[in-house]
Amino acid sequence: KQEVTQIPAALSVPEGENLVLNCSFTDSAIYNLQWFRQDPGKGLTSLLLIQSSQREQTSGRLNASLDKSSGRSTLYIAASQPGDSATYLCAASNAGNNRKLIWGLGTSLAVNP
Amino acid sequence: NAGVMQNPRHLVRRRGQEARLRCSPMKGHSHVYWYRQLPEEGLKFMVYLQKENIIDESGMPKERFSAEFPKEGPSILRIQQVVRGDSAAYFCASSPPGRTYEKLLFGSGTQLSVL
Repeated sequence: KQEVTQIPAALSVPEGENLVLNCSFTDSAIYNLQWFRQDPGKGLTSLLLIQSSQREQTSGRLNASLDKSSGRSTLYIAASQPGDSATYLCAASNAGNNRKLIWGLGTSLAVNP
Repeated sequence: NAGVMQNPRHLVRRRGQEARLRCSPMKGHSHVYWYRQLPEEGLKFMVYLQKENIIDESGMPKERFSAEFPKEGPSILRIQQVVRGDSAAYFCASSPPGRTYEKLLFGSGTQLSVL
C-alpha cells in the first residue's frame, strides 16, 4: 500500500532563501509523481509532474527530482518570494490503469518579506 | 475553456439533507476523479469515472455517497443524509481520454459545511 510522507510539515524562511521540500513514498512502483500548490480558497495548482522514467523536472524557479530507488522526491525553490507562501503537496500516482493519486499532508510554507 | 469548473464553491447543509456537488471537466476530458480533503487531513481519493462508467470507487464510503458522470452534463457527487463528518473540501480533477500520463487538472473545489 502506497503511503506518502512530507517533511517538514511547516517551514518559515526569509525572502530570497533557497529551500528544499521533501516527499517520501513507500512503494517504488509509481507511475508518476506530482507536486501541487494549494492556496486557501483557490484549489490546487499542478506545479511539476515527473514520470517514473525521469529524474527531474524544472519550471522557472522550481526544480523537482525523483529517486525511485530511495522512494524520495524533492522540490527545490530558488530565491523564494512572499508570493510562494502556500501549502505544497506531493502526490504519487500508482502504476496501473487508474492513476489515482496518493497524497502527502503537505508542507505549509511561509516566506517572510 | 475555463478549465475544470466546480459548483457551488460553498455549500451549507443541515444534517439529514442532501448535497449535490457538480464538476464540469475541461473540454475534451472524459476522465473525472473526485477527492475529499477533511480538516487536518490529506486529500483522499474517492472515485474515478469515465463517461457513463464508474471505473474505481474504492475510496467512496459504502453508504450515502454516490457519483455519476453522464453522457451529457457534469459529473455529480451526491451525498445523502449528510452528517457533520461530511464537512470537507471536495475536489474534482479531469484528464483527457487515453492520455492519463498528463497531469490532472483540478477545479477550485466545493467546501461543504454541515450544520
